[in-house]
Amino acid sequence: GIQVEQSPPDLILQEGANSTLRCNFSDSVNNLQWFHQNPWGQLINLFYIPSGTKQNGRLSATTVATERYSLLYISSSQTTDSGVYFCAVERGRDTGRRALTFGSGTRLQVQP
Amino acid sequence: NAGVTQTPKFRILKIGQSMTLQCTQDMNHNYMYWYRQDPGMGLKLIYYSVGAGITDKGEVPNGYNVSRSTTEDFPLRLELAAPSQTSVYFCASSYVRTNSPLHFGNGTRLTVT
Repeated sequence: GIQVEQSPPDLILQEGANSTLRCNFSDSVNNLQWFHQNPWGQLINLFYIPSGTKQNGRLSATTVATERYSLLYISSSQTTDSGVYFCAVERGRDTGRRALTFGSGTRLQVQP
Repeated sequence: NAGVTQTPKFRILKIGQSMTLQCTQDMNHNYMYWYRQDPGMGLKLIYYSVGAGITDKGEVPNGYNVSRSTTEDFPLRLELAAPSQTSVYFCASSYVRTNSPLHFGNGTRLTVT
C-alpha cells in the first residue's frame, strides 16, 4: 500500500511562532487531506488538497503532487493549535481500496 | 445536522465478550469508514462501505464485522474481544470519495481487560 511519512514527529513552539509540517507519500494520489486532532481527541478536517495551495486564516497548505509531498503552514501559532496533525492520502490508481491512509502524525505543543 | 454520531463514548469489556459500536450520520453520505487509533499512533482502517449493502475490508479487519443496511448507519461488531482490541474507534463519512472532506465522529474509547 501507499506509505505516508510525516515530519517532524514532535514540535514545541512558543506562542506567536510559525511552523511548517511536512507529509511525504510514496505514490501518486487523487486525494490528500490534513486533519487536526485536538487534546480531547476530536478529529477536524483542515484541508482537502490533492494539489495546489489553499489558505484558511492562519493555516495554509501546499501540495506538490509531482514531487509527492505536502506542507502545512501554521503562522502566529496559538495554544489552541496544540494537538496532533495528520496527513492522509488515497492512491490515484484504482487499487480497490477506496479510503484514506493516514500518516503517524506530528504532535505540536504551543507554549504560552 | 448532528454530523457523525458514535455511541457509546466509553466501554470496558472483559476478554471474550462481544459488543457493537454504533455509528450514524445524517449528512446523506454514501461512504462510511471505521478506523482504530492505538495510543500515540495514526489511524488504521478496519472496514469501509461505499453504500448500503456494500462493505469491504481495510488494513486490520480481523476480529471485527460490519453491516450497512441503511445509508445512515454503519455498526461495527466485535466478537470475542481481546486485549489487542483496546483502542479508540472512529467512524467517519464522506459524500463523494475523491473530492469530499472526511467527517469524523468523536470516537469510542474501548478497553478490553
